[in-house]
Amino acid sequence: KQEVTQIPAALSVPEGENLVLNCSFTDSAIYNLQWFRQDPGKGLTSLLLIQSSQREQTSGRLNASLDKSSGRSTLYIAASQPGDSATYLCAVKEDGSEKLVFGKGTKLTVNP
Amino acid sequence: KAGVTQTPRYLIKTRGQQVTLSCSPISGHRSVSWYQQTPGQGLQFLFEYFSETQRNKGNFPGRFSGRQFSNSRSEMNVSTLELGDSALYLCASSWKFGGGNEQFFGPGTRLTVL
Repeated sequence: KQEVTQIPAALSVPEGENLVLNCSFTDSAIYNLQWFRQDPGKGLTSLLLIQSSQREQTSGRLNASLDKSSGRSTLYIAASQPGDSATYLCAVKEDGSEKLVFGKGTKLTVNP
Repeated sequence: KAGVTQTPRYLIKTRGQQVTLSCSPISGHRSVSWYQQTPGQGLQFLFEYFSETQRNKGNFPGRFSGRQFSNSRSEMNVSTLELGDSALYLCASSWKFGGGNEQFFGPGTRLTVL
C-alpha cells in the first residue's frame, strides 16, 4: 500500500529565504508525482507535475525534483514571499488509475 | 477555459439526512475523482469515474456512492449522515483515464453535519 510522507509538517521562514519541502513515498512504481498548493478552506491548485521518467520540473520560482528509485521528491521555492504562505501537498499516481495518494502536507508561513 | 466547479459550496445537514454534491469537470475532461479532506485524516480517495463507470473505490462505507453522467458531470451521495462525515469534499478532473494526466481540483464543498 502506497504511503506518502511530508516533512516538515510546518515551516516558518522570513521573506526572501530559499526553502525546500520534502516528500517521500514507499512504493517507487509511480506514474507521476504532482505538487499542489492549498490556501485555507480552498481547493487545490496544481503547481508542478513530474512524470516518472523525468528528474525535475520548473515553473517560475518553483523547482521540483523526483528521485523515483529512492522514493523522494523535493519542492524548492526561491526567494519566498508572504503570498507563498499556504499548505503544500504532494501526491503520487500509480498506473491504471487516476487515484492520487496524498501526503499530509507542509504548512508554510513566510513572514514579512 | 472554466475550471472544475462544485456545487453547492457549503452545506449544513443534520445526522441521518442524506446529501448530494455535484461536480462539473473542465470542458473536455472525461475522468472525475472524489476526495474527502479532514484535519485528522488528510485527503482520502473516495472513488473515480470514467465514461460513466466507476473505475475504483476507496475504503469508505456503502453510504457513500456516486455516479457520472454522459456529459462527464458527476455527483456523489452520502446517505444517513454521521457527524464524522463533516469534511471538505473535493473533486478532480483529468482529460482521460490512466496515463500521466495532470489533475485539476475544484474549490470543494464544505459539509457540516450537526
